[in-house]
Amino acid sequence: EAAVTQSPRNKVAVTGGKVTLSCNQTNNHNNMYWYRQDTGHGLRLIHYSYGAGSTEKGDIPDGYKASRPSQENFSLILELATPSQTSVYFCASGERLGGNTLYFGAGTRLSVL
Amino acid sequence: QQKVQQSPESLSVPEGGMASLNCTSSDRNFQYFWWYRQHSGEGPKALMSIFSDGDKKEGRFTAHLNKASLHVSLHIRDSQPSDSALYFCAASEPNTDKVVFGTGTRLQVSP
Repeated sequence: EAAVTQSPRNKVAVTGGKVTLSCNQTNNHNNMYWYRQDTGHGLRLIHYSYGAGSTEKGDIPDGYKASRPSQENFSLILELATPSQTSVYFCASGERLGGNTLYFGAGTRLSVL
Repeated sequence: QQKVQQSPESLSVPEGGMASLNCTSSDRNFQYFWWYRQHSGEGPKALMSIFSDGDKKEGRFTAHLNKASLHVSLHIRDSQPSDSALYFCAASEPNTDKVVFGTGTRLQVSP
């Protein structure tokens, strides 16, 4: 089964600070995704990537940047963190095919105070 | 409004009972659908995919897709306490790798 590892698992940040969430996958999948999970909203897509060097905006990209420096790594960057970005963030990877199943990491719980 | 809506928000069934979850899309471009399950403290895991109209059965789980009505459902027979989890419907369009998830249904199976 695909292995997707997120770090850190828990993070407390201050308002206005910079936060970087990291994701690593070991199955050579082309696509990687960042979602946030909030009660009442389910999983919402922030950014995704088709491969090294590419990033695409998802449905809620405002306030977030993404970086895909290699096939294995995909980062989510909050340049100026706000309390509204307190959430659980999930990274996922998948093949680049129509109808691709996603494999998720265990999540990062972020609190912005 | 999110393009993939699920109902009910929560559902409680007795052990051995049938659980039925629903998902409706507002985007006719969606052609591929999945059901994912998330246990507490974990990431979501794919349960099953369904890409063609009709039923798809995998063990105790049956998915049904009606593309004309943009409706997909998941039925779990002989529900077990281990089925208690948050269930997500997901959808994507052909020729794109953007995958959109629904709002989730929390299932509780009581012994």
